[in-house]
Formats: sequence, structure tokens, C-alpha cells
Amino acid sequence: GQQVMQIPQYQHVQEGEDFTTYCNSSTTLSNIQWYKQRPGGHPVFLIQLVKSGEVKKQKRLTFQFGEAKKNSSLHITATQTTDVGTYFCAGRVSGGYNKLIFGAGTRLAVHP
Amino acid sequence: NAGVMQNPRHLVRRRGQEARLRCSPMKGHSHVYWYRQLPEEGLKFMVYLQKENIIDESGMPKERFSAEFPKEGPSILRIQQVVRGDSAAYFCASSSSLPGRQGIIETQYFGPGTRLLVL
Repeated sequence: GQQVMQIPQYQHVQEGEDFTTYCNSSTTLSNIQWYKQRPGGHPVFLIQLVKSGEVKKQKRLTFQFGEAKKNSSLHITATQTTDVGTYFCAGRVSGGYNKLIFGAGTRLAVHP
Repeated sequence: NAGVMQNPRHLVRRRGQEARLRCSPMKGHSHVYWYRQLPEEGLKFMVYLQKENIIDESGMPKERFSAEFPKEGPSILRIQQVVRGDSAAYFCASSSSLPGRQGIIETQYFGPGTRLLVL
């Protein structure tokens, strides 16, 4: 079946260091979305990427969608303690309806 | 504008009992999705519903689980004869856009979840 793999599973960084999480799909995606879930909270939508090779920025966060629309990354520059949480990518398969296939998430811990 | 609402937020059941989880989508949203999240794991799609219709239930266990989204009222996820392995957080999400429309931001807005604990 369709899968979205996400690595790493965990990442511990010192405050101020950079952080990157990667997603890879077994099939071409029509678009990919990124969510953040704080400990004990619920997933909150961050961004959607639609175009091949697309790059979007939100302050210290940079999102990329691969040329083949099979992979994506989220990079955080100079992490802060407020960045703590689990980051999920979720891909929508080309030709599919609204079903999102979530990656397993990357849990980020930031040490002050 | 109220977001997605779920209740109860926490539910404790003994093995063999029934669990009913409710989800009220955002105002104007007619698409509802249920996900299950086991501790320390990602979100697993269970079912996608529109008003009075189940569109995709491929992620839902064949037995003991059922979902509905009636014309009036919230969507209900029902788990009969719960077992310890059903303990998880169950999230509901809603969206407004039509399925399959490429390029449209079909954001799914998540509710706060129901944490189910089966003793």
C-alpha cells in the first residue's frame, strides 16, 4: 500500500542548532502537508506544498517539495524551546480524494 | 468561529464495554475524518465520511468499529466490546473543500482528540 516514510524518529538538539526532518513517499504525491503536534496536543496545520520543487518559508521554517513530488523536508534554523513537538508530513496521492497518508512523525526535543 | 469539537476529551472504559466518541466539525465543513494515534506513534487514517455517507473506511478494523455522520448532529465513532489494544488518542478532522480538486488547499483541521483508556 501507499506509504510515507519519515526520518528521523527522534531528534535532540541544543537550542540554537538547526533541525531537519525528511519525508519520502512510495508513490507520487499531488501535494504534501506539514503538521505540528505539541506534547499532549493535537496536530496543527503548518503548510501545504503543491508544485514540483516548491520551497516555502515561514520565519525560521523552510519547507521543500522534491522535483519528483515524492519527497519533502522541513528545516528549522536556530531552534528554540518553543519548537518542541512532533512534526508530521502528510501526503495526498495523485488522483486520490481527500485522504492524507501521514508519516510517523519526528519528535523534536530542544535543550536550553 | 468554533473549531472542531470532540467529546469527551477523556474516556475510561472496562474491557467489553462500548465507547462512543463524538465529533462536531467546523461550521460549514461537511467532510469528517477519523484518525487513531497510539502512544509514541503517528496518525493512522480510519475513516472518511460526508454527511450520511461513508466514503472510505479502509483504515477501520472490520469488527467492533463503526462510524456515522448523520444529516443532523455530530459524527460518531463507535467501538463495541473494547479491548486494551483500543487505548489510544482518537482525533477527528474536518475540511470544507470537495475531494480531488487539485491545487486547492484542502486543509484538515483537527479537534483536540479523545483519549480512550481501556482498563
